[in-house]
Amino acid sequence: AQSVSQHNHHVILSEAASLELGCNYSYGGTVNLFWYVQYPGQHLQLLLKYFSGDPLVKGIKGFEAEFIKSKFSFNLRKPSVQWSDTAEYFCAVKAYNNNDMRFGAGTRLTVKP
Amino acid sequence: ETGVTQSPTHLIKTRGQQVTLRCSSQSGHNTVSWYQQALGQGPQFIFQYYREEENGRGNFPPRFSGLQFPNYSSELNVNALELDDSALYLCASSPSGEVAETQYFGPGTRLLVL
Repeated sequence: AQSVSQHNHHVILSEAASLELGCNYSYGGTVNLFWYVQYPGQHLQLLLKYFSGDPLVKGIKGFEAEFIKSKFSFNLRKPSVQWSDTAEYFCAVKAYNNNDMRFGAGTRLTVKP
Repeated sequence: ETGVTQSPTHLIKTRGQQVTLRCSSQSGHNTVSWYQQALGQGPQFIFQYYREEENGRGNFPPRFSGLQFPNYSSELNVNALELDDSALYLCASSPSGEVAETQYFGPGTRLLVL
């Protein structure tokens, strides 16, 4: 079964700093990959997803992620973070042939104004 | 458009009891998935319902069961509650049973088992 690792538990950045959150998964077959975000007091919501085609995926609010199949990675990036990006970020993977979506443990991002 | 709603918001039970959690899917969505999120962890997939049939199940024992109704709302039932069942239970709906569909999450029900 697939599993997901998010290496950073808590990341603290100043506004305008660049962000990269790591996500690695273990599964040898075809996968669909997701990043979800949970802003304080809000529901989990989709940031972006990859299911085929261009491995560089652009999402909402200036976020992007790159799928590197050879590294089993799907890292999330943003060139310049804002205070409003303070949230918890979850990477998730689904094997192509089943509905069991596996989430990582999450990375808490704190952006200092 | 109404989003995913869940009830109750909080619940306290004792070990051995049974609990039923409810979820109303977003308008137009026929697929509902349930997740358990323990403190400090990511959500763990319990099962999914598509058009009233179970459509995939995670690594949870049979005392976790579910239902989906003709209006696509859903229930999660947990029997013989254990202390480790204390968690946030999330419901997510999506427009179809396809693998890459975006899931829309509700606010969750926080269950405490004493």
